[in-house]
Amino acid sequence: EAGVAQSPRYKIIEKRQSVAFWCNPISGHATLYWYQQILGQGPKLLIQFQNNGVVDDSQLPKDRFSAERLKGVDSTLKIQPAKLEDSAVYLCASSGLQGGGANYGYTFGSGTRLTVV
Amino acid sequence: GQNIDQPTEMTATEGAIVQINCTYQTSGFNGLFWYQQHAGEAPTFLSYNVLDGLEEKGRFSSFLSRSKGYSYLLLKELQMKDSASYLCAVRVGGYQKVTFGTGTKLQVIP
Repeated sequence: EAGVAQSPRYKIIEKRQSVAFWCNPISGHATLYWYQQILGQGPKLLIQFQNNGVVDDSQLPKDRFSAERLKGVDSTLKIQPAKLEDSAVYLCASSGLQGGGANYGYTFGSGTRLTVV
Repeated sequence: GQNIDQPTEMTATEGAIVQINCTYQTSGFNGLFWYQQHAGEAPTFLSYNVLDGLEEKGRFSSFLSRSKGYSYLLLKELQMKDSASYLCAVRVGGYQKVTFGTGTKLQVIP
């Protein structure tokens, strides 16, 4: 099966600019996650979707971050305006039914490396 | 919330065995993952434990004790390419929320 697709791969922006990331999960996966991974740390969950509804966004900085999942498939994560501390890798993952697939249905995309200068 | 603890860094010798520990405190436990992450790359799946005991997969084994909130990843016959970060992650609840620890950076030396 095709993996989780993310774009762009790299992005450099100036602080106070806006940026958007795109994720296409594995076909049929109902659950989609966005993680932020700062250098030297583990991934931190920003938002979790179940189909097109938000399940958990408790760690999403809602004053500047927003995310949506169109029709329960693709998702976009936006930052506006960006700050220096937003420099990180943004990882998208998707999951099918529990117990499904070699990874128990949990697969990461390659990530988007954001640098804010 | 979830609290996941792992050592920050470890060093081991090529050909040796290393054990990376992970302790967690959580409610609604629904499984524990180990991921490997090389610098600049996305995490890749290593193992998944939901029942107590040891799961062996080639040079890698993972152990879970639910009553103790404890897991370890055992790497045998270490190779230089095993130098990476190893992430412990806990899945909770019906919506499969997955929370990661900060990771253990393993350096394999000749």
